[in-house]
Amino acid sequence: ETGVTQTPRHLVMGMTNKKSLKCEQHLGHNAMYWYKQSAKKPLELMFVYSLEERVENNSVPSRFSPECPNSSHLFLHLHTLQPEDSALYLCASSQDGGNNEQFFGPGTRLTVL
Amino acid sequence: QQQVKQSPQSLIVQKGGISIINCAYENTAFDYFPWYQQFPGKGPALLIAIRPDVSEKKEGRFTISFNKSAKQFSLHIMDSQPGDSATYFCAASKWAPDKLIFGTGTRLQVFP
Repeated sequence: ETGVTQTPRHLVMGMTNKKSLKCEQHLGHNAMYWYKQSAKKPLELMFVYSLEERVENNSVPSRFSPECPNSSHLFLHLHTLQPEDSALYLCASSQDGGNNEQFFGPGTRLTVL
Repeated sequence: QQQVKQSPQSLIVQKGGISIINCAYENTAFDYFPWYQQFPGKGPALLIAIRPDVSEKKEGRFTISFNKSAKQFSLHIMDSQPGDSATYFCAASKWAPDKLIFGTGTRLQVFP
């Protein structure tokens, strides 16, 4: 595997379900990000982890819970979501201390029924 | 202060033509301005980026023009090809680590 991978690629869940999104980066980076991409809106930064510490939490509802067990893996735990949370969730990674080039995964298309 | 405004929302160009996408920002602390290209079903990928110490950067058919006094930057795609059809996002940030502030995206369609 190369670059940034995300699983699953597609997810359909009910409002009462609990699910998790997984991201893995194979680039040796030390910062990882979660973004939400909705139609006709800018990419919204949700969370930033640098050296496994959360450094940014962009006023995201508590029904989204991130976890970064090591510098290569990032999870987004989902529970009691709302239909308006349906979107493409993108993971990215970068190397702190350099330019801010972020490498994105292919995303997880989430649909909340 | 944190917004990046991008226009147009969509763009249709004939093959061989020039595609131009514009962005404007407010925060003078921004010093890194990348453009990302996104194809359907894929995540955004870095296309080209510029820092404010230069007014232009060219990579192949892609050129960023940067106007620091106007706080504007633009992407020019010369000799546009159908394979360039994608959504383009401008972004801005301060030196890493920092969040990228993205524009709303421009959907480019290049017709043969």
